[in-house]
Amino acid sequence: AQSVTQPDIHITVSEGASLELRCNYSYGATPYLFWYVQSPGQGLQLLLKYFSGDTLVQGIKGFEAEFKRSQSSFNLRKPSVHWSDAAEYFCAVGPVNFGNEKLTFGTGTRLTIIP
Amino acid sequence: DTEVTQTPKHLVMGMTNKKSLKCEQHMGHRAMYWYKQKAKKPPELMFVYSYEKLSINESVPSRFSPECPNSSLLNLHLHALQPEDSALYLCASSQERGRQFFGPGTRLTVL
Repeated sequence: AQSVTQPDIHITVSEGASLELRCNYSYGATPYLFWYVQSPGQGLQLLLKYFSGDTLVQGIKGFEAEFKRSQSSFNLRKPSVHWSDAAEYFCAVGPVNFGNEKLTFGTGTRLTIIP
Repeated sequence: DTEVTQTPKHLVMGMTNKKSLKCEQHMGHRAMYWYKQKAKKPPELMFVYSYEKLSINESVPSRFSPECPNSSLLNLHLHALQPEDSALYLCASSQERGRQFFGPGTRLTVL
């Protein structure tokens, strides 16, 4: 069975500081991994995804993530956070067969930005 | 047009009511999804439609009835819901593997 663990429920970071959100996964085959962001009262927006190839993935809004198979991790990073990055972040894993996608989401990490 | 719209934004209903949630996209996406999200929890997949046919039903109770009348529209019909069904209901669509576009959701309260 596939599963995702986000160990940090809540992280507080100063504006301009660097950020790393942790994600560990369990998946029987080659994983397809995703990071989504959800602002309060909104739907989810895809930040980036990893299918194969280069293990360092660049996404939108200056985010990147690194896939480490040996550690079963897919941590999200940003060198300098902005106040607008405050949101809930979800890591997800799943099979990716078009029209038959079943993503399993982690429990999320809430990011607070302080001035 | 690169968005998924959902109506209504908020819905309050009694346990004996029948109501429907609507989701629409005009991006030409051929897969559409319903998710349920409880407060401070991740989204949980309910249904997937692919090319207007139901491809995944995650053992959702029959009081939730999905419908895909055409490739742009997805409905979720609600009947005899329970208070524990109160949640944010998210719709999503996709046209390429692994890239789902989410709507803002309908916040449902069942009294």
